[in-house]
Amino acid sequence: DAGVIQSPRHEVTEMGQEVTLRCKPISGHDYLFWYRQTMMRGLELLIYFNNNVPIDDSGMPEDRFSAKMPNASFSTLKIQPSEPRDSAVYFCASSTRTLSTDTQYFGPGTRLTVL
Amino acid sequence: AQKITQTQPGMFVQEKEAVTLDCTYDTSDPSYGLFWYKQPSSGEMIFLIYQGSYDQQNATEGRYSLNFQKARKSANLVISASQLGDSAMYFCAMKEVSNTGKLIFGQGTTLQVKP
Repeated sequence: DAGVIQSPRHEVTEMGQEVTLRCKPISGHDYLFWYRQTMMRGLELLIYFNNNVPIDDSGMPEDRFSAKMPNASFSTLKIQPSEPRDSAVYFCASSTRTLSTDTQYFGPGTRLTVL
Repeated sequence: AQKITQTQPGMFVQEKEAVTLDCTYDTSDPSYGLFWYKQPSSGEMIFLIYQGSYDQQNATEGRYSLNFQKARKSANLVISASQLGDSAMYFCAMKEVSNTGKLIFGQGTTLQVKP
């Protein structure tokens, strides 16, 4: 079975440009999570969806960040405009439920560099 | 207050020996789950093992076992018969039923296996 798929794997852009990260969750998983990993802050949850509906976006750093899930097999995380401090690895993860017993499976991540 | 604490930034172990990676957690929720993930230098997050707060026995998955001491709020990962491919960053994480969806990560421990 295919795991979580993310694209692109690497993105280099200039400050002020729009960046769109993409994620395809594992088929049948109805929860999707977006995380950001930096050296300073470690791994932090940005937002998560259940059945395509955003449930908790309290981790989204500011209005420049937005996330959508138009259907069960696709989600995007958009940064507009991008800033150098957004440079990080962005992970998408999915799971079947969000109770304590259910494991989140991560995609390979997108390494974003904003110059 | 830190919910997940990994006190060992870096560890070394000789190939074929066992190693214990420490993790302590803080929660007042009676129902929670504890997870360990491995992040090799290639960057992906790989799920290793899960322990539920109500599980009576320590979890095991191949060479991985979780030494769960509920009263001490510790969930240490034990890797037996270390292999060179075990060299990676290891993250402990917790999910509370009352805080559904939020997987809270520790800062990680870097493990280096020496030949």
